[in-house]
Amino acid sequence: AQSVTQPDIHITVSEGASLELRCNYSYGATPYLFWYVQSPGQGLQLLLKYFSGDTLVQGIKGFEAEFKRSQSSFNLRKPSVHWSDAAEYFCAVVKVYGGATNKLIFGTGTLLAVQP
Amino acid sequence: EPEVTQTPSHQVTQMGQEVILRCVPISNHLYFYWYRQILGQKVEFLVSFYNNEISEKSEIFDDQFSVERPDGSNFTLKIRSTKLEDSAMYFCASSPGEGKNIQYFGAGTRLSVL
Repeated sequence: AQSVTQPDIHITVSEGASLELRCNYSYGATPYLFWYVQSPGQGLQLLLKYFSGDTLVQGIKGFEAEFKRSQSSFNLRKPSVHWSDAAEYFCAVVKVYGGATNKLIFGTGTLLAVQP
Repeated sequence: EPEVTQTPSHQVTQMGQEVILRCVPISNHLYFYWYRQILGQKVEFLVSFYNNEISEKSEIFDDQFSVERPDGSNFTLKIRSTKLEDSAMYFCASSPGEGKNIQYFGAGTRLSVL
C-alpha cells in the first residue's frame, strides 16, 4: 500500500538558517508528489508538486524539493527561513490508478518553528 | 484567484445530532473531495465525488456519512448522527480533473462534538 513518511515531527530553526524537511514514500510506480503547508487556522496550501521530468522542482515562497527515486524521497528545502514560514508542512502522494480518482495520501506532517 | 470556500469555519454540536458541512468548490472543477484531520493526526481521505456520484470512499466513510452536490455550486458532507470521535477538521478539496491535477483545499471546518 502507498504510504508517506515524514520522520521529523517537530523542527526548530533560526531565522535565516537553511531548512530541509524529509519525506519518504512507498509507491509501486512513478509517484505524483506534493508538499502542502498549513499555517495556523488556515487550510492546506500547495507549495510545489512533482509529476515528471526535472527532479528539482521550484515552488512558491522560495521553497524547492528534489525527487530522488533511488532513495524514495522528496525532501523540501529552503536556503533561508523567514519567521513567516512557521507552519506545519505535509508531504503527500497521489494514488493513481486507471479510471479512478486521485486521492491524496498524506504524511503525518512536520511542525516548523522559527526562532528569531 | 479562485478558491474553495467552506462554511462554517467552526461547528459545535451535541453527540447524536446531524451536521452538514458545506463547501463551494472552484467553479470549473469536476472532482470533489472530503478529507479530515483529527487533532494531532495526519490528514485522511474520506471520499471523492465525480459526475454526481461517489468515486471512492475510505473505511472511515461509513453509513453515517453522505455527500451531495445539491446544485451546481455546493458540495456537502452530512454526518447523520455525530459521535465524539467525529471531532476533527474537515477539509473540502476540488480539482479540475484526474492525473496531473492539483487539489485545491478550503480552509476547513472545525467540528466539535460534545
